[in-house]
Amino acid sequence: DQQVKQNSPSLSVQEGRISILNCDYTNSMFDYFLWYKKYPAEGPTFLISISSIKDKNEDGRFTVFLNKSAKHLSLHIVPSQPGDSAVYFCAASAATGANNLFFGTGTRLTVIP
Amino acid sequence: DGGITQSPKYLFRKEGQNVTLSCEQNLNHDAMYWYRQDPGQGLRLIYYSQIVNDFQKGDIAEGYSVSREKKESFPLTVTSAQKNPTAFYLCASRPQGNQPQHFGDGTRLSIL
Repeated sequence: DQQVKQNSPSLSVQEGRISILNCDYTNSMFDYFLWYKKYPAEGPTFLISISSIKDKNEDGRFTVFLNKSAKHLSLHIVPSQPGDSAVYFCAASAATGANNLFFGTGTRLTVIP
Repeated sequence: DGGITQSPKYLFRKEGQNVTLSCEQNLNHDAMYWYRQDPGQGLRLIYYSQIVNDFQKGDIAEGYSVSREKKESFPLTVTSAQKNPTAFYLCASRPQGNQPQHFGDGTRLSIL
């Protein structure tokens, strides 16, 4: 049973525009959420996180929004750059730093120059 | 420089053989993890260890074994009991406190 879902397997965006990647979760106990970026043949790289006490966290071009009532989070990348082309994974856990992270299936972002 | 090293990058084994995947970190992280990734799926937790000489099963531990004799090392053995071992295996580590997990570059295991 997939507790973290990324329903869009792929997304294409023009360079300079906004990329919005979405993630839904089913477990109401989740209170810590992360986004990872993965290039082919490499391990995932941590991008940004948010705890459930916030509804927004920003780091440079990357912003994560959390809507707890809808059990939904999204990652916004503005402006998108060709180097952002990668697979993005959403992950969640029941406590900050918890050992059991639940991952979504990933969204492949392609930024077109 | 500091990081997580998984070796080898590609590994081939015959069916029925046990195989051990290496994971070493020089980040002085306390916790270490093993995940498995299959095509079109998210990462699934196999085993994790929070301290030396202690480890816990994750969601898909059957057919796998681990050891944690040193803080830096967390090898994973894929045994012949694992029904479908062909996959991409990722090792991760995390320091104490509210910090994210950091990943190695993975080992792709193929059973011939």
